Amino acid sequence: AQRVTQPEKLLSVFKGAPVELKCNYSYSGSPELFWYVQYSRQRLQLLLRHISRESIKGFTADLNKGETSFHLKKPFAQEEDSAMYYCALIQGAQKLVFGQGTRLTINP
Amino acid sequence: ETGVTQSPTHLIKTRGQQVTLRCSSQSGHNTVSWYQQALGQGPQFIFQYYREEENGRGNFPPRFSGLQFPNYSSELNVNALELDDSALYLCASSLSTSGNTGELFFGEGSRLTVL
Repeated sequence: AQRVTQPEKLLSVFKGAPVELKCNYSYSGSPELFWYVQYSRQRLQLLLRHISRESIKGFTADLNKGETSFHLKKPFAQEEDSAMYYCALIQGAQKLVFGQGTRLTINP
Repeated sequence: ETGVTQSPTHLIKTRGQQVTLRCSSQSGHNTVSWYQQALGQGPQFIFQYYREEENGRGNFPPRFSGLQFPNYSSELNVNALELDDSALYLCASSLSTSGNTGELFFGEGSRLTVL
């Protein structure tokens, strides 16, 4: 069965420090993975997708098929990065399987 | 451009009752998906509607049902409510022609409490 695991429910780092939010998946086939973010008092929104290979708000994520991981990274955390982050994979057309989420807190 | 809107934002029901949640999709979007998000969990796929037909369903019992209307708005109905149905129900819209881009546009959700 397709599954997404985010091992850390909470992650706290200081401003300017590197950030890595972990995501592991189980999927038979070629997965397509995404990171969604929910800032305080805002709705859930797409942050980035692995096929785009882009950096959004300084975040990048590399798909590692050998380790079945899709960790989200940012070299220098900013206070506005504090949010809830969800890793997800797509199962069929526009149907997402989400992880449990990681609450990231950036301390000043 | 109008985003996804959901109503009501909060509601309280008792066990055994029935509930209807409503969703207006983002302008131009023809596909609507519903997700259940229990406290401390990620959203879980309930079902998806495209052209007024159910287009995929997650692991939810038949008492969870839905509709999509010609204007692409949608309803989620839950019969015989159980305590475990207490959750945030999220509606998300997308364009079917965007294939597997994975970009869903979410509403703010309807928080259901079952007592």
